[in-house]
Amino acid sequence: GENVEQHPSTLSVQEGDSAVIKCTYSDSASNYFPWYKQELGKGPQLIIDIRSNVGEKKDQRIAVTLNKTAKHFSLHITETQPEDSAVYFCAASKFEGKSTFGDGTTLTVKP
Amino acid sequence: DADVTQTPRNRITKTGKRIMLECSQTKGHDRMYWYRQDPGLGLRLIYYSFDVKDINKGEISDGYSVSRQAQAKFSLSLESAIPNQTALYFCATRKADTQYFGPGTRLTVL
Repeated sequence: GENVEQHPSTLSVQEGDSAVIKCTYSDSASNYFPWYKQELGKGPQLIIDIRSNVGEKKDQRIAVTLNKTAKHFSLHITETQPEDSAVYFCAASKFEGKSTFGDGTTLTVKP
Repeated sequence: DADVTQTPRNRITKTGKRIMLECSQTKGHDRMYWYRQDPGLGLRLIYYSFDVKDINKGEISDGYSVSRQAQAKFSLSLESAIPNQTALYFCATRKADTQYFGPGTRLTVL
């Protein structure tokens, strides 16, 4: 089955700096890669996703890049703000298939 | 109103007790999921359902059962709770590839 590894497990940045979280996956047939943000006391919420036919996708301060050859994808957050502090999860799945999640990254943005 | 709701939000129970966690959704999605989250670990799939009466095991179904009573409701039961089932439990719906999570139920088994 699919295996997703996520790094780092914790990340602390100064407000205004950039943050990068990386994930690798094992199943080359996976073609959908979402990123979820989980705030304290809440369920994960989709913030951005990318499909295997695209190499990069951007939405305001967040972007995701995908390298299918190397089987890894990354979340980039620019100009970080304290409200970006949360746990971030990556996931991988095939069409109509089950999602496999990474172990999560706790991001702390220090004011 | 929240699209995916879970009750209770917090529950403390004793070893050996049977408990039920409930999930309701107003999104009209056919697919529903139950996940378990432990500290430092990702979300692990317990059970999922593609429609009423359809039940499928996930990667960690032992010790759990589910019931899909209607399109909008998907409940998770622990037949005889044990301490290592202490965790945060999430219900989710899915449309196409996107999942929509409930707020979670924090379960403590003493």
